[in-house]
Amino acid sequence: EDQVTQSPEALRLQEGESSSLNCSYTVSGLRGLFWYRQDPGKGPEFLFTLYSAGEEKEKERLKATLTKKESFLHITAPKPEDSATYLCAVQAEYGGSQGNLIFGKGTKLSVKP
Amino acid sequence: DAGVTQSPTHLIKTRGQHVTLRCSPISGHKSVSWYQQVLGQGPQFIFQYYEKEERGRGNFPDRFSARQFPNYSSELNVNALLLGDSALYLCASSLRYTEAFFGQGTRLTVV
Repeated sequence: EDQVTQSPEALRLQEGESSSLNCSYTVSGLRGLFWYRQDPGKGPEFLFTLYSAGEEKEKERLKATLTKKESFLHITAPKPEDSATYLCAVQAEYGGSQGNLIFGKGTKLSVKP
Repeated sequence: DAGVTQSPTHLIKTRGQHVTLRCSPISGHKSVSWYQQVLGQGPQFIFQYYEKEERGRGNFPDRFSARQFPNYSSELNVNALLLGDSALYLCASSLRYTEAFFGQGTRLTVV
């Protein structure tokens, strides 16, 4: 069964304290892995797509990496405005869930000034 | 550029009623997907439409249905509402097997 597990469920950081969020996945052929940011009551905001192991993408203080079994979202010197829930999703190439996104439960990040 | 737009933004319905949610995709996107998100969980896939045909269906009862129109906009219909249908309903559009862009969602409350 295709599934995504994110850890930790919640993370509290001080402003400037770098850390990483984890996304472990099992999928019938990975078409793509996606990271989203979601603010309370809003729709997810697209951040990155990763397609193959070894790939990395960066945007401001965020950097996403991908291996064959997991992805990491590294946050460098976070600011309070980075506080949000970060969602990881995979898209399968084969099987019953082909084409749709399978999401993890998310990591709720809080950054205190 | 207009992003994905959903209407209404909030809705309160009574158990047993019917609801219709609407979505307009990003211009040029032919794929529309619907997701349900309950508090504290990630979005769960309900339907995907591409070129006006259903291309995928998640594990939801037959009370849930959807369609896509010639202009690629979409409707999600839910019949015989239950309290457990209360959730944020998200619409996403994409080219097809590419990153999906989400609307702001429709918050449905069933009382």
